[in-house]
Amino acid sequence: EAQVTQNPRYLITVTGKKLTVTCSQNMNHEYMSWYRQDPGLGLRQIYYSMNVEVTDKGDVPEGYKVSRKEKRNFPLILESPSPNQTSLYFCASSSRTSGWGETQYFGPGTRLLVL
Amino acid sequence: AQSVAQPEDQVNVAEGNPLTVKCTYSVSGNPYLFWYVQYPNRGLQFLLKYITGDNLVKGSYGFEAEFNKSQTSFHLKKPSALVSDSALYFCAVRVSILTGGGNKLTFGTGTQLKVEL
Repeated sequence: EAQVTQNPRYLITVTGKKLTVTCSQNMNHEYMSWYRQDPGLGLRQIYYSMNVEVTDKGDVPEGYKVSRKEKRNFPLILESPSPNQTSLYFCASSSRTSGWGETQYFGPGTRLLVL
Repeated sequence: AQSVAQPEDQVNVAEGNPLTVKCTYSVSGNPYLFWYVQYPNRGLQFLLKYITGDNLVKGSYGFEAEFNKSQTSFHLKKPSALVSDSALYFCAVRVSILTGGGNKLTFGTGTQLKVEL
């Protein structure tokens, strides 16, 4: 089954304790992104990757890091989480076959609470 | 810069009645437009998209959307609503020229659809 998986689905942590949210896709997609969803703000892109070893900042990258060492994986790293990073996070992937109109497929989301 | 507006935070409709969820956009260049649905505790599911061609696009679960270039709108519609359609709906846009952000979608703030018996 084609899918994007994220782990963990729920996470409660404390300020300053490093954490990683994993994302994996099995569709051989080139493009991957991380978004955060906040009430009244919709989804905003944090970071994206156009292929292995190619990453760049999205609209709200502060406090986050990513890496793309393998095509299927795109982990999101919070080196020193703060309460304002409490949010719902989504990973997404898409193919580059037809250009920018390709459908993005989203993972199930990771709900993070930073105390 | 590209932007999307969903003017209604919530739309209420009776089961069996037609529904419309509104979306307007602002882009420089030709838009690619998407609708996604989010059920509670689930990720976003793709419903439909407009890339080019026929202005009326049909998607999953009986939904359709009409692209109106002059009004810069892409409203989501369904002829007969079901209680199971109750969910959070997002409109999103991507411009057709490379402006950075990879395949970034710019999302609206979402519209909660509530279908009642």
